[in-house]
Amino acid sequence: SQQGEEDPQALSIQEGENATMNCSYKTSINNLQWYRQNSGRGLVHLILIRSNEREKHSGRLRVTLDTSKKSSSLLITASRAADTASYFCASYSSASKIIFGSGTRLSIRP
Amino acid sequence: ETGVTQSPTHLIKTRGQQVTLRCSSQSGHNTVSWYQQALGQGPQFIFQYYREEENGRGNFPPRFSGLQFPNYSSELNVNALELDDSALYLCASSRTGVDYGNTIYFGEGSWLTVV
Repeated sequence: SQQGEEDPQALSIQEGENATMNCSYKTSINNLQWYRQNSGRGLVHLILIRSNEREKHSGRLRVTLDTSKKSSSLLITASRAADTASYFCASYSSASKIIFGSGTRLSIRP
Repeated sequence: ETGVTQSPTHLIKTRGQQVTLRCSSQSGHNTVSWYQQALGQGPQFIFQYYREEENGRGNFPPRFSGLQFPNYSSELNVNALELDDSALYLCASSRTGVDYGNTIYFGEGSWLTVV
């Protein structure tokens, strides 16, 4: 399978809480990107982190990258109902091109 | 709105038939990639085209083929359709290769059902 792995597969939290999703990949990468997908729609780019970066912030999003463990995490702070969606990581390398994780389905309870 | 448009949005085909899906890239983007997303799964990379040539391919059989045109629009062709080909097919465009750190922009996808 081409899929990287993400956990948890599903996450349900209360509005206002923080949500953390994790992603693991298998090969050396140039960069890793996180995407959001509302049900049955296209993917929306959220944030890119390069292999020489360890942490990046964008608004309520915080991404970390640990290349020694081949893992990344996405933190969404102060969650809102509109954050309900599936979230995917995608690792990019010259060799294997693009590998998406299996996704985390995030539900925000009002 | 990403500027990437795909057509058709939905279609139903019979096993054994052939299908062509189309994608119009965002202006200024010379790289297009295609993905297959089965229900409940992450997208799987099919192939990527850069300046009209395939420059990367995932683990898909040769009956999945593509074209990129001089205006950087693209087609995905699938021959001898199988039931397992039922999925959302996503097109994405970018400036140069995404592995160089360029953001890729996805279209809304084409839902293919094979019966």
